[in-house]
Amino acid sequence: EDKVVQSPLSLVVHEGDTVTLNCSYEVTNFRSLLWYKQEKKAPTFLFMLTSSGIEKKSGRLSSILDKKELSSILNITATQTGDSAIYLCAVEPSNFGNEKLTFGTGTRLTIIP
Amino acid sequence: DAGVTQSPTHLIKTRGQHVTLRCSPISGHKSVSWYQQVLGQGPQFIFQYYEKEERGRGNFPDRFSARQFPNYSSELNVNALLLGDSALYLCASSLGWGHYNEQFFGPGTRLTVL
Repeated sequence: EDKVVQSPLSLVVHEGDTVTLNCSYEVTNFRSLLWYKQEKKAPTFLFMLTSSGIEKKSGRLSSILDKKELSSILNITATQTGDSAIYLCAVEPSNFGNEKLTFGTGTRLTIIP
Repeated sequence: DAGVTQSPTHLIKTRGQHVTLRCSPISGHKSVSWYQQVLGQGPQFIFQYYEKEERGRGNFPDRFSARQFPNYSSELNVNALLLGDSALYLCASSLGWGHYNEQFFGPGTRLTVL
């Protein structure tokens, strides 16, 4: 059974700090790893990492996939209060047509002004 | 552009009742997946539908069923509700089968079972 473990479960930092969120996974036939941000309800898509795209960056957010270590990190630099949210990591197997995502429990990030 | 929409937003039911949740995917998306998110946990996969056929099923009892309509909208049905069914039910849409399909989530339906 596919499994995703995120750490830490919770993180509280001051505005301006840099944070690193961790995700490790076990999946049969890896296809992709996805990061989502969940503030109130709908998780919003951040990044998709694959074997051919192991590093992504968007503004202050960046993510790296380590296929050897079966893990990924999400970095947020110069954090802002608007970054406060739950960050979810998910993996997708490569069974064709099966787009089931297996999620971790998430990291709750709180930014103190 | 309209994103994924879900209805209703909130729902309160009592044990033993049944419930129907609805989802409309992003225009042009043919695949819909349903997830259950219990408080403090990540979303858990329930079903995936593509072109009106079930393509994947998670580890949920037969009380859970779903279907997809010709316009690609979808319904999730839960019978004989239990207290443990209280959760946020999320619908996600994607273009369809294929590689690296990003899934976009709707706002969810918050179901409370009393």
